[in-house]
Amino acid sequence: KQEVTQIPAALSVPEGENLVLNCSFTDSAIYNLQWFRQDPGKGLTSLLLIQSSQREQTSGRLNASLDKSSGRSTLYIAASQPGDSATYLCAVKKIQGAQKLVFGQGTRLTINP
Amino acid sequence: ETGVTQSPTHLIKTRGQQVTLRCSSQSGHNTVSWYQQALGQGPQFIFQYYREEENGRGNFPPRFSGLQFPNYSSELNVNALELDDSALYLCASSSYRRGQGGELFFGEGSRLTVL
Repeated sequence: KQEVTQIPAALSVPEGENLVLNCSFTDSAIYNLQWFRQDPGKGLTSLLLIQSSQREQTSGRLNASLDKSSGRSTLYIAASQPGDSATYLCAVKKIQGAQKLVFGQGTRLTINP
Repeated sequence: ETGVTQSPTHLIKTRGQQVTLRCSSQSGHNTVSWYQQALGQGPQFIFQYYREEENGRGNFPPRFSGLQFPNYSSELNVNALELDDSALYLCASSSYRRGQGGELFFGEGSRLTVL
C-alpha cells in the first residue's frame, strides 16, 4: 500500500527566506508526483508535475525534485513571500490499479512579514 | 478554456438524507475523479470515471456512487448520510492515456456539513 508522508506538518518562516518542503513515499512504482497548493477552505491548485522519468521541474520561484529510488521529493521555494502562505500537498500517482492520486497530509506554511 | 467547476459550493444536510454534487470537467478532459477531504487531512480517492464507466474505486462504501455524462461532466451521490461524511468534496479532471500519468486539475470543492 502506497503511503505518502510530509514533514514538517507546519512551518513558519520570515519573509524572504528560501525553504524546502519534504515528501516521502513508500512505493517507487509511480507514474508521476504532483505538488499542489491549497488555501483555507479552497480547492487544490497544481504547482508542478514531475513524471517518473524526470528529476526536477521548475516554475518561477518553485523547484521540485524527485528521487524515485529513495522515495523522496522536495519542493524548494525561493525568496518566500506572505502570499506563499498556504498548505502544500504532494501526491503520487500509482502505476498499478486505478490511476488515483495518493496524498500526503500536507505542510501548512506561514510566511511572516 | 474553462477550468473545473463544482456545485454547490456549500450545503448542509441531516443524517440519513441524500446528496448530489456536480462537476464540470475542464475542456478537453475525458476523465473525472472524486476525492473526499476531511478537515486537516489530505484528500482521499473515492472513484474515477472514464468514458462514462467507473474504472477505479477507493475504500468507500456503495452508498457513494457516481455518474459521468457524455459531455464528461459528473455527479457524486451519497445516500444515507452520516456525520463522518462532513468534508470537502473535490472533483478533478484529466486526460487519460493508457500507460501515462496525466496532470490532474481540481475544482474549488463542495463543502458538505451533515448535522
